[in-house]
Amino acid sequence: RKEVEQDPGPFNVPEGATVAFNCTYSNSASQSFFWYRQDCRKEPKLLMSVYSSGNEDGRFTAQLNRASQYISLLIRDSKLSDSATYLCVVGFYNQGGKLIFGQGTELSVKP
Amino acid sequence: DAEITQSPRHKITETGRQVTLACHQTWNHNNMFWYRQDLGHGLRLIHYSYGVQDTNKGEVSDGYSVSRSNTEDLPLTLESAASSQTSVYFCASSTGGRTEAFFGQGTRLTVV
Repeated sequence: RKEVEQDPGPFNVPEGATVAFNCTYSNSASQSFFWYRQDCRKEPKLLMSVYSSGNEDGRFTAQLNRASQYISLLIRDSKLSDSATYLCVVGFYNQGGKLIFGQGTELSVKP
Repeated sequence: DAEITQSPRHKITETGRQVTLACHQTWNHNNMFWYRQDLGHGLRLIHYSYGVQDTNKGEVSDGYSVSRSNTEDLPLTLESAASSQTSVYFCASSTGGRTEAFFGQGTRLTVV
């Protein structure tokens, strides 16, 4: 079983739609949580950190459920520029900040 | 501006050759990482380092080695390149803790 699992998609949605991505992780010792974005196999870049209390950044909302070992990302009012692969990531800050990535969920926003 | 750079960006090599991929960061980050990315697998951790003289194996370390002689550099060596090592390789660095990692632009390696 993969340590971080995501639905690879692709998710094809129209502009303006709301889309949700889910991710589960297997290691209960996971300590930090992130969503990264990757465009066209370029380098991944941080989208947002994820906290137990939930956090929001504009149209993006991330949630963490430690009991269920589940992370989510909600994108509201999708834009064409949101088309990318979204990577769920768990970190271990007592292991030098080691990051373990899910395989990514591909999003395509259509006009 | 601080940055992380990888070289070369593209390389073709023959099976059995030793290959070294360079990674250099100017953030003075203690932690550095090497990942490979293949279709259907996402990014998989090869090796990582907490600081000078420290190296650790990741989930797919067989056939790879790293050394950390200074803070700025973590070169990745393929001891005897195999076709299964054809991939895109990403280097990253971070301060550790709960902070984000910054990635280089990647090296596309083809083993023929």
